[in-house]
Amino acid sequence: EAQVTQNPRYLITVTGKKLTVTCSQNMNHEYMSWYRQDPGLGLRQIYYSMNVEVTDKGDVPEGYKVSRKEKRNFPLILESPSPNQTSLYFCASSGLAADTQYFGPGTRLTVL
Amino acid sequence: AQSVAQPEDQVNVAEGNPLTVKCTYSVSGNPYLFWYVQYPNRGLQFLLKYITGDNLVKGSYGFEAEFNKSQTSFHLKKPSALVSDSALYFCAVRDTYQYIFGTGTRLKVLA
Repeated sequence: EAQVTQNPRYLITVTGKKLTVTCSQNMNHEYMSWYRQDPGLGLRQIYYSMNVEVTDKGDVPEGYKVSRKEKRNFPLILESPSPNQTSLYFCASSGLAADTQYFGPGTRLTVL
Repeated sequence: AQSVAQPEDQVNVAEGNPLTVKCTYSVSGNPYLFWYVQYPNRGLQFLLKYITGDNLVKGSYGFEAEFNKSQTSFHLKKPSALVSDSALYFCAVRDTYQYIFGTGTRLKVLA
């Protein structure tokens, strides 16, 4: 089944404790992206990647890191999480052209 | 700067009536426009997109959208609403490789 998976689905952590949210897709897509969803703000793009070792900043990259060492994986790293990073996070993938994005189920992160 | 506006936080419509969810955009160049739907506790699902060609785009679940270049709009429509259409709808525009999403419109279809 074609899908985007994210882990963990739920995470409660404390300020400053490094964490990684994993994202994996099985559709051989070149393009992958991370978003955060906040009430009243919709979805905002954090980082995106056009291919292995090629990443770029979205609208809200501060406090986040990403890496794309393999085509199928695109982890999101919060090296020193803060409470304002409490949010619902989505990973998505698509072909490189103006293609349909497939979204993962989401990761709800709470930073205390 | 590229932007997308969804002017209505919520739209209420009676089951069986036509529905419209509004979206306007601002981009330089030709826009790539998308509509996605989010059901409770789920990820986003693709509904339809406009890249080029016919201004009326048909998508999943009976939805369609009309691209209007002069009004810079891409409103989502359905001729007859179902209670099961109740969800959060997002309009998005792609600029090169970056996506800009609107703030979302909650559609409530009343039985």
